[in-house]
Amino acid sequence: SQTIHQWPATLVQPVGSPLSLECTVEGTSNPNLYWYRQAAGRGLQLLFYSVGIGQISSEVPQNLSASRPQDRQFILSSKKLLLSDSGFYLCAWSATRGFGTEAFFGQGTRLTVV
Amino acid sequence: RKEVEQDPGPFNVPEGATVAFNCTYSNSASQSFFWYRQDCRKEPKLLMSVYSSGNEDGRFTAQLNRASQYISLLIRDSKLSDSATYLCVVNAGGGFKTIFGAGTRLFVKA
Repeated sequence: SQTIHQWPATLVQPVGSPLSLECTVEGTSNPNLYWYRQAAGRGLQLLFYSVGIGQISSEVPQNLSASRPQDRQFILSSKKLLLSDSGFYLCAWSATRGFGTEAFFGQGTRLTVV
Repeated sequence: RKEVEQDPGPFNVPEGATVAFNCTYSNSASQSFFWYRQDCRKEPKLLMSVYSSGNEDGRFTAQLNRASQYISLLIRDSKLSDSATYLCVVNAGGGFKTIFGAGTRLFVKA
C-alpha cells in the first residue's frame, strides 16, 4: 500500500531563517506531487506541483521554492522566511494515470514564523 | 475566475437537518471529481468520489453535472460529527494538477 510521510509535524522558525520541509512517498512510482499551504481559517492554496523528477510548476510567486531530486521525494524550501509564511503546509500525491486520481495527504507541518 | 469555486459558508444547521453544498469548476476537460473532508487542524481526507451517474454513501449523496460544470454534495440527517470543512476537488486526469476549492465550513449544532 502507498504511504506518504511528511516532517516535521510542527516547526517554529525566526524571520529570515531558512526552511526545508521534506515529503516522501512509498509504494508507488512516478506520482504527481503537490505542496499546499493553508493559512489559519482559510482554504488550501496550491504552491507547487510536480509531474516528474526535476519538473516543478509554481502556482504562486513568493519566496518559496520546491525541488524533486528523486521520484518519490518532494522538498519545500526557503532561503529567508517571512512572517506571512506561517501556515499549515501539506504535501500530497496522486496517481498520474487513469480516473479516480484522488490526492492523498501527509499529516502536514504547522509552521510558525516568529 | 477561480478554477474551483465553492459556496462560501459557513453553514450552521441543527442536528437532523439536510444540507447541500455546491461547487463549480472552470476546466471543461476535468475528468475526476471528489469531495474531501477536513477536520480542524488535520489534513484533508477523501470523503467520496463523484461519478457521472451520481453516487450515494449512506447519508451522503454526490452529483455531477458536466454540462453546467458543477458538483454537489448532499448530507441528510446531519450529525454533530459532520461538523468539518468540505472541500470540492477536481482533476483533469493524466499529469494535470489536482485543484481544491477553498472549502465550505459546516457546523452542526445540537
